[in-house]
Amino acid sequence: DTEVTQTPKHLVMGMTNKKSLKCEQHMGHRAMYWYKQKAKKPPELMFVYSYEKLSINESVPSRFSPECPNSSLLNLHLHALQPEDSALYLCASSHDWSSYNEQFFGPGTRLTVL
Amino acid sequence: RKEVEQDPGPFNVPEGATVAFNCTYSNSASQSFFWYRQDCRKEPKLLMSVYSSGNEDGRFTAQLNRASQYISLLIRDSKLSDSATYLCVVNTPRGSTLGRLYFGRGTQLTVWP
Repeated sequence: DTEVTQTPKHLVMGMTNKKSLKCEQHMGHRAMYWYKQKAKKPPELMFVYSYEKLSINESVPSRFSPECPNSSLLNLHLHALQPEDSALYLCASSHDWSSYNEQFFGPGTRLTVL
Repeated sequence: RKEVEQDPGPFNVPEGATVAFNCTYSNSASQSFFWYRQDCRKEPKLLMSVYSSGNEDGRFTAQLNRASQYISLLIRDSKLSDSATYLCVVNTPRGSTLGRLYFGRGTQLTVWP
């Protein structure tokens, strides 16, 4: 089973709302990632969690707050977003955080900020 | 200089054609290499890993030339369902960063009947 699930599939929110994106994998992977992808661009790395610890924050604004409650779950809390934050948010996982592993992506959450 | 350079295309080919995509990477410390396929408004899906010895999966053949830092993907007997964007992806350690994926901009392929 190489499935990563994400909820919700679509999200529309105002700039004053607080919402959360959820990601889950049951492959026993110990590294999980958040990416942001704009139309016709490749995914951009936001955060890396390795063994449930935040290992990389790619200078992401504090209005995005990641959380890893356990080894299978990854959340991204959103607050006071801007319209330019509208994008496809992808979660991915890999066996561990090494330079030999492929990453498996979830279907993404398509976020629109009004 | 970008980590991964890829011809964006688009490539428009008839069914049954053979099409080749190329990409180059800039960091000789890169350790693993992949082709991902991304359909419109969907997530990237792993198509195949790429090894120095070359590897084949049905109609798809991938090659890696470490000396030239060059990766290729060959699709034979193209099908309509092959229409997608193909992402060249490289996993590179950076200092204390154990592994980070670097993506090419993607090559768009359209196969027409």
